[in-house]
Amino acid sequence: DAGVIQSPRHEVTEMGQEVTLRCKPISGHNSLFWYRQTMMRGLELLIYFNNNVPIDDSGMPEDRFSAKMPNASFSTLKIQPSEPRDSAVYFCASSFGNGGNYEQYFGPGTRLTVT
Amino acid sequence: SQKIEQNSEALNIQEGKTATLTCNYTNYSPAYLQWYRQDPGRGPVFLLLIRENEKEKRKERLKVTFDTTLKQSLFHITASQPADSATYLCAPPNSGYSTLTFGKGTMLLVSP
Repeated sequence: DAGVIQSPRHEVTEMGQEVTLRCKPISGHNSLFWYRQTMMRGLELLIYFNNNVPIDDSGMPEDRFSAKMPNASFSTLKIQPSEPRDSAVYFCASSFGNGGNYEQYFGPGTRLTVT
Repeated sequence: SQKIEQNSEALNIQEGKTATLTCNYTNYSPAYLQWYRQDPGRGPVFLLLIRENEKEKRKERLKVTFDTTLKQSLFHITASQPADSATYLCAPPNSGYSTLTFGKGTMLLVSP
């Protein structure tokens, strides 16, 4: 298996632009997570899907952030409009089961820089 | 709300020694806890899961303990190697047990 796939790996954009991050989870996994990692705040959960349904989006910072999972093999995280404070590494992860007792498999991340 | 604390200062040790990393948590009592390793520029990788009734769990040179009284988990790497240099994250579940809450991690540097 190729593991969790994320694209792009790096994104540099100007403030106010729309940014779309993409994720393909591991086949057969039914839970998908979007995280944001910064030096100051560490690894923060943004949103969690189970069987393509958003279960917990309490970590989404504000209305500028949205996430979708149209099918079991694809998810997007969109930021519109982007701001410099959104600069971070965004990780997608997937797991086989529903719950915190299942190990999570992380993608390589997308490094976002908003100027 | 739940709080997870890992030593923010890097741990520097010599090759061959045992590294011990600490994870303290407050305001709740998780039934299990996971540990992950993260290398620069990469996503975290799962290492071990320990449950509250296990007290100790081992995997090759890794050992994790879980003290529910002290609200602490210790992560040990015996006979450490330079290749063990990385950041180690502890991750208990959130209060609803639906996801994980990650600590900020401790960087381990093993010098030859």
